[in-house]
Parts: sequence; structure tokens; C-alpha cells
Amino acid sequence: SAVISQKPSRDICQRGTSLTIQCQVDSQVTMMFWYRQQPGQSLTLIATANQGSEATYESGFVIDKFPISRPNLTFSTLTVSNMSPEDSSIYLCSARPLAGANNEQFFGPGTRLTVL
Amino acid sequence: AQSVAQPEDQVNVAEGNPLTVKCTYSVSGNPYLFWYVQYPNRGLQFLLKYITGDNLVKGSYGFEAEFNKSQTSFHLKKPSALVSDSALYFCAVRPPYGQNFVFGPGTRLSVLP
Repeated sequence: SAVISQKPSRDICQRGTSLTIQCQVDSQVTMMFWYRQQPGQSLTLIATANQGSEATYESGFVIDKFPISRPNLTFSTLTVSNMSPEDSSIYLCSARPLAGANNEQFFGPGTRLTVL
Repeated sequence: AQSVAQPEDQVNVAEGNPLTVKCTYSVSGNPYLFWYVQYPNRGLQFLLKYITGDNLVKGSYGFEAEFNKSQTSFHLKKPSALVSDSALYFCAVRPPYGQNFVFGPGTRLSVLP
């Protein structure tokens, strides 16, 4: 398994500013992901964070808005740029220790973002 | 298109009664099937998964799930519900050669004392 921590746990931000969310895993993992969970909704994958290279973004998400870093096998950051109230969501970091599709994935506690 | 349905937004059961949270999917091939639970202000916690073999899989906290290939379903069950089981439950499916989950919309379970 993997234990995942995120910072900050929550934040209230002003429109037009940016917030960087940090994700730390307690062990080296093959794959890391960032999800968004809007109020009362399911999870939507933003991107796969690739170690040492550019993240792979899902349709509807772009690097300029959600830049992602993954400098090593245990850490990643997600930045929400030029925020608007529509960005208010819970942002979840996730990790899959082993790459195979049959392996479970673990989730951090989430960062609850409110944009005013 | 690949999709996962959880037909009930909300399930209410009395404590001590059996519970079922339904999941059906439309994914090509023989996907891998997962259940997660989300407690308030917490991330998702893994409950169980079906990869192959016995159609009934057992997981954490006394939960089990039954895979039915002909009905493309993977319903979550527990013989005797606890108030502490009240949470949001997500079914997730991953294609066998896929990288990413397809999540269902979630079902909110309320266990009443």
C-alpha cells in the first residue's frame, strides 16, 4: 500500500491567483495522478504525473491552467493557475505503486479549494 | 464510450440489515473492477477488487462484491450494516490494458440506527 499526504488540506483563494498543492507518498510509486472532485460529483482525472517528463493531460485540461511537476518517485505538485470560482473543488492526489492495470490505486485526503 | 453506472444516488438501510450498492459498467474486454469508500473530508479508501477467478470477492470492513459477467455488474454487499458504514461509495473500472480508472457517480449510503 501507499500512504499519501497533501498540503494544504484546504485553502480559500482570491480570483486570479494561483495555488500549488503538494503531494507526498511514503514510498516510491510507479504512477501518480491528479483528480478533481467537484461538490457532490464523482472524480475526474486531470492528468497523469510522469516522473522526469511532462504530465499527460486528459481532455479538457491543459498545462497552462494546471501545471504539474513530478521531480521524483514520491512527490508531485499541482498548480491551479489564474483561479476562478469554477475551480472551487476538492483536488485529490493518487498513486499506484505498481503499474499493472490490475493493481489498486491509493488516494490522498484531498485539498479543498474555495475561490472567491 | 466507456461508462460506469451506479443507479442509486442514495441508499438507506437500517443498522443490522443487509446492504447492497449497485454498479453496472460498459467497458470493452474483461475489465478490472474496484470499490472505494469516501468518508467525509477524507480521500478514497480501497475496499476490494475483482481481477479474475471466484465471482464473489471479499474486502475490508466485512464488505464483499459479486461479479456478474452476463449482467456486467459488480454489486457491493454487506450482510449486516453498521452506522459507521455511512459514507459515499464509488465503483471504478479499469480496462485490462488501460491506465486510468472510469469512476461511477457515487452512491451515498446512510445506515440508520
